[in-house]
Amino acid sequence: QKEVEQDPGPLSVPEGAIVSLNCTYSNSAFQYFMWYRQYSRKGPELLMYTYSSGNKEDGRFTAQVDKSSKYISLFIRDSQPSDSATYLCAMSANTGNQFYFGTGTSLTVIP
Amino acid sequence: EAGVTQFPSHSVIEKGQTVTLRCDPISGHDNLYWYRRVMGKEIKFLLHFVKESKQDESGMPNNRFLAERTGGTYSTLKVQPAELEDSGVYFCASSQVPGLGLSKTQYFGPGTRLLVL
Repeated sequence: QKEVEQDPGPLSVPEGAIVSLNCTYSNSAFQYFMWYRQYSRKGPELLMYTYSSGNKEDGRFTAQVDKSSKYISLFIRDSQPSDSATYLCAMSANTGNQFYFGTGTSLTVIP
Repeated sequence: EAGVTQFPSHSVIEKGQTVTLRCDPISGHDNLYWYRRVMGKEIKFLLHFVKESKQDESGMPNNRFLAERTGGTYSTLKVQPAELEDSGVYFCASSQVPGLGLSKTQYFGPGTRLLVL
């Protein structure tokens, strides 16, 4: 069983839509949860970082963590064509440095 | 501030040959990580250096892979001899201090795309 499951998509939405991206995980030791954005031919770029459960908002982006369900989400409001990219969830245990990644969800925002 | 750089950006080699990938971390970052993404799969951890020491190499697939970080600056990852299943994108990341926290997060390079024929 994979440590992290993420629907690969692809996901295509019109400009201005609300986008919901999700990951589930199996390891209850995970405490740190990250969302990375990756443009084509580039490396992953950190978008959001959350420790333990709860919500975190940064501009048009909101990250949610539900540790009881082992489920994390990233919401993008008022999506823009520039948001078109692959979104990767990543997570790590409290004492470890190794990141566990989902496979990534490909998002296209259509103008 | 310069980000993590990797060289080469692409490499195409034949099975049995040797390839060496290089990573230059962000200046001042003691922690350096190697990850690999095989097509269609998730990014997977290979190993972690703290300065010149290997902190965790649990993700290294086999002894055909050798990583070094002489002097605690740049790192090389050598694959010898390369096999078909080694094809993928090899990412390097660096962070300022161990552990996590936004100021300590891992910054990724653009990756080296390796194709073994």
